Amino acid sequence: AQSVTQLGSHVSVSEGALVLLRCNYSSSVPPYLFWYVQYPNQGLQLLLKYTSAATLVKGINGFEAEFKKSETSFHLTKPSAHMSDAAEYFCAVRKSGNTPLVFGKGTRLSVIA
Amino acid sequence: GAVVSQHPSRVICKSGTSVKIECRSLDFQATTMFWYRQFPKKSLMLMATSNEGSKATYEQGVEKDKFLINHASLTLSTLTVTSAHPEDSSFYICSAFTSGGHNEQFFGPGTRLTVL
Repeated sequence: AQSVTQLGSHVSVSEGALVLLRCNYSSSVPPYLFWYVQYPNQGLQLLLKYTSAATLVKGINGFEAEFKKSETSFHLTKPSAHMSDAAEYFCAVRKSGNTPLVFGKGTRLSVIA
Repeated sequence: GAVVSQHPSRVICKSGTSVKIECRSLDFQATTMFWYRQFPKKSLMLMATSNEGSKATYEQGVEKDKFLINHASLTLSTLTVTSAHPEDSSFYICSAFTSGGHNEQFFGPGTRLTVL
């Protein structure tokens, strides 16, 4: 079964510091991988997705993620955190086609001024 | 990107009543829609998969008689929480899948249900 594990339920960084949110996947086949952001009481916004076209994926708001098959990882990074980046981040995986996304437990990012 | 709407965005109801949540794909046709439930400070849990014109497929542990799903058209799916109880209070999010060049799920803004 497809699944993702997000290491760290809460990450706190200083404004301007590097953001690193970890995600490892479990899949028997090359998966589709996604990162979503959720602000309080709102729905999900897609940050970026990996669909095997390129291992380094650039997304919105300065975020990017690198697919590493050898490590079964898809960590999300941003060089410099902004206060507006404080939110809940979810890694998700989909096996193929129209199968539903399976979400990790989420990581809450706090940005300290 | 494609837009998915949900209505209502927030609903408060009394215990024992039924609540209907609508999910619409506004500018595309969705043959498949997914319903998720999110508890406070928790992740999204898939409740069911809804295909237009057929019965929904429910995930293990989700009561199909409790959470009625109807996908009557390619742009509308509804989730009805029947005889709601306080433990049904949650954030419900729908997602519509489009295969038209995107193969992507687009999410609605969610519906906050509070059962008193």
